[in-house]
Amino acid sequence: TQLLEQSPQFLSIQEGENLTVYCNSSSVFSSLQWYRQEPGEGPVLLVTVVTGGEVKKLKRLTFQFGDARKDSSLHITAAQTGDTGLYLCAGERSNYQLIWGAGTKLIIKP
Amino acid sequence: DAGVIQSPRHEVTEMGQEVTLRCKPISGHNSLFWYRQTMMRGLELLIYFNNNVPIDDSGMPEDRFSAKMPNASFSTLKIQPSEPRDSAVYFCASSSFVGYTFGSGTRLTVV
Repeated sequence: TQLLEQSPQFLSIQEGENLTVYCNSSSVFSSLQWYRQEPGEGPVLLVTVVTGGEVKKLKRLTFQFGDARKDSSLHITAAQTGDTGLYLCAGERSNYQLIWGAGTKLIIKP
Repeated sequence: DAGVIQSPRHEVTEMGQEVTLRCKPISGHNSLFWYRQTMMRGLELLIYFNNNVPIDDSGMPEDRFSAKMPNASFSTLKIQPSEPRDSAVYFCASSSFVGYTFGSGTRLTVV
């Protein structure tokens, strides 16, 4: 069974603080996708990283793909209440097969 | 584009009844996926279609579940008969290359 372990499972911090979410696996992925899901909605794709060592920035969000393409991290700088949601990582093994992390429930308190 | 459209948004049904969930993918996307999401198990892939053909249905829990994609703009997921353990949020997603676009889901409650 291919696993993608995501941590932490739950994070509650004050607005303005920084945080990092991790996804780790023993398997190599062709790409790693990050999604954010809000209550009552489906996951929304934030970014896809493809190359080992790749770093992508989306405003205050920084995504990194590990050199060996087995792990990834999401760093949020100066978190805002609008960042609240469930963050999901998904590793791509084939042209359609995604291995999903269990998710990180993030709450940003005002 | 209106995105991936799912209906109904909510469905409450009695055990033993037939339930049909519907999905309209994004035009031009050739891949369609049905997922189920629960607190306990997270997101589970039920079935994957490519160009309207079922490619991988290994995630379909049992024979009570069936899915069809009669054309590129419509798919259904049917549960017959439904059971309380089928209660979950069911998502349809479509994709053309990289990354999925999810619908808003159908919250199914079987009582």
